Amino acid sequence: QKEVEQNSGPLSVPEGAIASLNCTYSDRGSQSFFWYRQYSGKSPELIMFIYSNGDKEDGRFTAQLNKASQYVSLLIRDSQPSDSATYLCAVGGGADGLTFGKGTHLIIQP
Amino acid sequence: GAVVSQHPSRVICKSGTSVKIECRSLDFQATTMFWYRQFPKQSLMLMATSNEGSKATYEQGVEKDKFLINHASLTLSTLTVTSAHPEDSSFYICSASLGRPTYNEQFFGPGTRLTVL
Repeated sequence: QKEVEQNSGPLSVPEGAIASLNCTYSDRGSQSFFWYRQYSGKSPELIMFIYSNGDKEDGRFTAQLNKASQYVSLLIRDSQPSDSATYLCAVGGGADGLTFGKGTHLIIQP
Repeated sequence: GAVVSQHPSRVICKSGTSVKIECRSLDFQATTMFWYRQFPKQSLMLMATSNEGSKATYEQGVEKDKFLINHASLTLSTLTVTSAHPEDSSFYICSASLGRPTYNEQFFGPGTRLTVL
C-alpha cells in the first residue's frame, strides 16, 4: 500500500520567514510528486510538481526531491498571511490517481 | 487553462435517494478523470479512476454498485451515489489529467459537498 507521510502541524511561521514543509513516501517506483494548497472548505490547488531529483523553483516556492531518501519538501520564502492553509503532498505516476498525505496545516503569523 | 468544473457545489438529500455529480473539463480533453472523497479533517482518498469509453477502476473498499461512474465523453464524467446514507456525507472532488503518459498533473474541480440526512 502506497503511503505518504506528512507532519500534520500546525506549523507556525512568522510573516516574511521561510516555511519548510516535508513529506516522505513509501513507493520507490513513484515518478511524480506534487504540492497542493487547500483552504478550508475548498478543493486543492496545484502549487508545484517535481519529477527529477534536485530543486525546482517557481516564484516564492521551491520544491526539493530526493528519490534516494524518498523525501519531498516545499519551501515558501517571504511567507505571507495568505499562505496560511493546509499543504498536501501527493505522489503518483502515469495514469494512476494520486496518493495524498494528510497535509500540514501552516499558519503564518502577521 | 486546465479548468475543471463540478456541479452541484452543494447538495442535501434524504437517506435512500440517489445523487448525481458532474465533473467537466472546460478547456481541455481529459482522457482520464479521477474521483476523490474527503471526510472532515482527513486527506483526499482516491475512490476511482474513470477513463473515457471504458469501465471505471475502483479502489479497494469502494463499492462500485454504490458509486456509479460514467465517463461518456472526453470532457464529462459523472458520479452517482446510489441509495445515499448519512455515512456517505462527504466532500467529493473530481480531477482531470492532462493525459501525458508519465507526468500527470491533475487539476481539481471545486468539489461537491454532499449531506445526507
